[in-house]
Amino acid sequence: EPEVTQTPSHQVTQMGQEVILRCVPISNHLYFYWYRQILGQKVEFLVSFYNNEISEKSEIFDDQFSVERPDGSNFTLKIRSTKLEDSAMYFCASIGDRGSDEQFFGPGTRLTVL
Amino acid sequence: AQTVTQSQPEMSVQEAETVTLSCTYDTSESNYYLFWYKQPPSRQMILVIRQEAYKQQNATENRFSVNFQKAAKSFSLKISDSQLGDTAMYFCAFQFLNHYNDMRFGAGTRLTVKP
Repeated sequence: EPEVTQTPSHQVTQMGQEVILRCVPISNHLYFYWYRQILGQKVEFLVSFYNNEISEKSEIFDDQFSVERPDGSNFTLKIRSTKLEDSAMYFCASIGDRGSDEQFFGPGTRLTVL
Repeated sequence: AQTVTQSQPEMSVQEAETVTLSCTYDTSESNYYLFWYKQPPSRQMILVIRQEAYKQQNATENRFSVNFQKAAKSFSLKISDSQLGDTAMYFCAFQFLNHYNDMRFGAGTRLTVKP
């Protein structure tokens, strides 16, 4: 069964460093998402992406964040200058088409900022 | 703003018994989806059950069923014959249909099934 994959599973970085979290959505899917979950807190929407552009973003998704689909398979989330409060689990998800409802989630990347 | 509220941060149930997790939401939308996701210790989000807002019939999926009250904006999850493997965080989620299908999640309920 096709699945969303994410790498790395755990990323440790120093405050102020740039990180790139990678996701490979299901191959024929068209809509892509990033969510984050700070430990012990709720899952929060960050951004949605369609047709090579951001379609919606939350207030969390400030200028430090960017997303890209560089090669038609990967979907990346970049944090330009990490802060301690960026430490969280980051989930990627995808949907086949707008009429579909189920988002398929990846296993997540745990980001630890020291 | 669309908000999702799960008022029970933690619950426990004996194996083989039934437990109900509550969820309320607030929206001005008329068409939307509601979901319950399970997040076991492995942290991966697993879809448990979904409900289309335009359907009055409550969704069921094996041991999992929902009580959807649209007027009250309530969407509770009932787990029958609880199993040890049901131990996890459970998130209620609301999904837009008018936008790009992004979702809003509740804070989660930690369910522990005791042997």
